[in-house]
Formats: sequence, structure tokens, C-alpha cells
Amino acid sequence: DVQLVQSGAELKKPGESLKISCTGSGYSFTSYWIGWVRQVPGKGLEWLGVIYPGDSDIRYSPAFEGQVTISADKSITTAYLQWSRLEASDTAMYYCARLVDHLFDFWGQGTLVTVSS
Amino acid sequence: EIVLTQSPGTLSLSPGERATLSCRASQSVSTIYLAWYQQKPGQAPRLLIYAASSRATGIPDRFSGSGSGTDFTLTISRLEPEDFAVYYCQHYGSSLHTFGQGTKLEIK
Repeated sequence: DVQLVQSGAELKKPGESLKISCTGSGYSFTSYWIGWVRQVPGKGLEWLGVIYPGDSDIRYSPAFEGQVTISADKSITTAYLQWSRLEASDTAMYYCARLVDHLFDFWGQGTLVTVSS
Repeated sequence: EIVLTQSPGTLSLSPGERATLSCRASQSVSTIYLAWYQQKPGQAPRLLIYAASSRATGIPDRFSGSGSGTDFTLTISRLEPEDFAVYYCQHYGSSLHTFGQGTKLEIK
């Protein structure tokens, strides 16, 4: 079965750095794009970017380019989303999802990131 | 950049009734890359419909999608208690992924 398992909830202070992960299993990790989606509490879904683990091709949403960094380590079938300096406005649930034909067919369980002083 | 506008924002219906949710694109889009997702409280979204009208694996046939160009519809023929959730449409085009703002389907 296809599974995407994300790292656990994080509580960080403004200005701190963070890297969260998404580990895929049950399919060929290098053959599918992985995307990251943000959901601010009580709000809708926002696309951050996607990565193709096979060759690390990355596409960012214009709204988030420069704000986050997406990467992947295909040797351990894991994708990452990282921040160099968190802000309170980064507080949200972050989902990873596999893409098929540019649509999100399997989703991780989400990682809650809370940024508070 | 394409904008997807969903209506209504909230839809109040009773189990057994028919639900019709709308997704309007700011310009004509390809049906191949139009999808609908369901999200229940505390859960990740789940793919319901892809290519505007094809049901994803395991999705009951009471869910159907239709539309083309700028206007798309998700229909739930007879609402079951587990169908009350938030629904999002999503489109891919020009290397960009766009979500609608969502429609909350609540029990009347």
C-alpha cells in the first residue's frame, strides 16, 4: 500500500530553523512528484511546491518561493520542507502528497508546525 | 494565474438530499487537470474526483463530477452522514497548482 508518513508536530520560536520530513513507501519513490500543501488553522489549502525525487527537479509556488526550501533524499525515500527563519505566520498544518498526472492522490497525515515566542 | 472560486461557501442540507457544489475558474482550464477533494475535521484531504468526472479508487458512485471550460460541479446524489465535510476543487496548469477556497457541507 502507498504510504506517506510525516514527521511529528513541532513547536518553535520565531527566527528558528526547521526541517520536516515525509517518507514514502509502497511505490517507486523516484517515479512520482511529491508536493507540499499548507493549511493555516481554520483556512483552506495552499500549494507550496513540488519535487521530483528522481532528479530533484523542484517547482515552487510564486507565493512561497524564497520562503521555504524543498528537497529529497531518494536513498531513504524521504522528502523535506525546511525554513531558515520561522515566523509566527508559518504556524499551520503542512501536508505532503504524491502526485499522479499533477493531481494529489495520496496524502501524508500532516505535520503541525507552531511558531510562538 | 488561474483563480478557482467555489460556491456556496457553506451548504446546509439533510442526509438523503442532493448536494451540488460549484467551482468556477477565472479562465478556461483543461478538464484533465481538474480534481475535487474531501477533507473531514482532523484529517488530510482525500482525492474524490480527477479529470473533472472520474471517481478515484474506492469513491462511492453517489459522488459525480461534471463540467468543462470555466464551470465545474461536484454532485453528491444522496447525502450520507459521513459526507458532511469541506470540499475543495484543484487545478494544475502552467506548472502551477491552484486550490479553490472550499465549500463546507454541513448538516441542516
